[in-house]
Amino acid sequence: AQKITQTQPGMFVQEKEAVTLDCTYDTSDPSYGLFWYKQPSSGEMIFLIYQGSYDQQNATEGRYSLNFQKARKSANLVISASQLGDSAMYFCAMRENNQGGKLIFGQGTELSVKP
Amino acid sequence: DVKVTQSSRYLVKRTGEKVFLECVQDMDHENMFWYRQDPGLGLRLIYFSYDVKMKEKGDIPEGYSVSREKKERFSLILESASTNQTSMYLCASSSPSPPDTQYFGPGTRLTVL
Repeated sequence: AQKITQTQPGMFVQEKEAVTLDCTYDTSDPSYGLFWYKQPSSGEMIFLIYQGSYDQQNATEGRYSLNFQKARKSANLVISASQLGDSAMYFCAMRENNQGGKLIFGQGTELSVKP
Repeated sequence: DVKVTQSSRYLVKRTGEKVFLECVQDMDHENMFWYRQDPGLGLRLIYFSYDVKMKEKGDIPEGYSVSREKKERFSLILESASTNQTSMYLCASSSPSPPDTQYFGPGTRLTVL
């Protein structure tokens, strides 16, 4: 069974608009962490934002925020005021604390920002 | 800033060759990881290490080995390269302390002919 699901293979957004990238996860571990990474065409995976399972508030980092809905097991990434440089693949990942530091990645969403 | 470097961005090798991919991090991280990334399959963990001289198999270790003689360096070895090992290889490191975010290197695109 898929532990991390990203249902949107590709998304388009107009420059300066906000966009939400979906991520759902499946775990029975009460302690876990959720991560979002950006991968531009150059190939490097860039860490964007982290949410811990016990964090009370949704994580924010600049234009990135994480809409964490624990009961629904979703951790959607919201990018506000999209820029052309946001065009990239975006990956959601989960670390289960009972599995050490290993990450499980989703299949990714390719975001294209239109001028 | 965390810096993870990989020895090559692009590499072309022939079938049967022994291939070394090197990864170095400068943040004194205990944990290091090797992934491969293929279209439609996402990132898959090959091997990881929690300390010097320690290694653990990931999800797809077959055909690979690793070496960690120094804390900052984690090497991935393809003992006898095959065409199905043509892929993007990504190295990462993390601290064991929460949130133990993994930081990635730029990746090596390996082509085996």
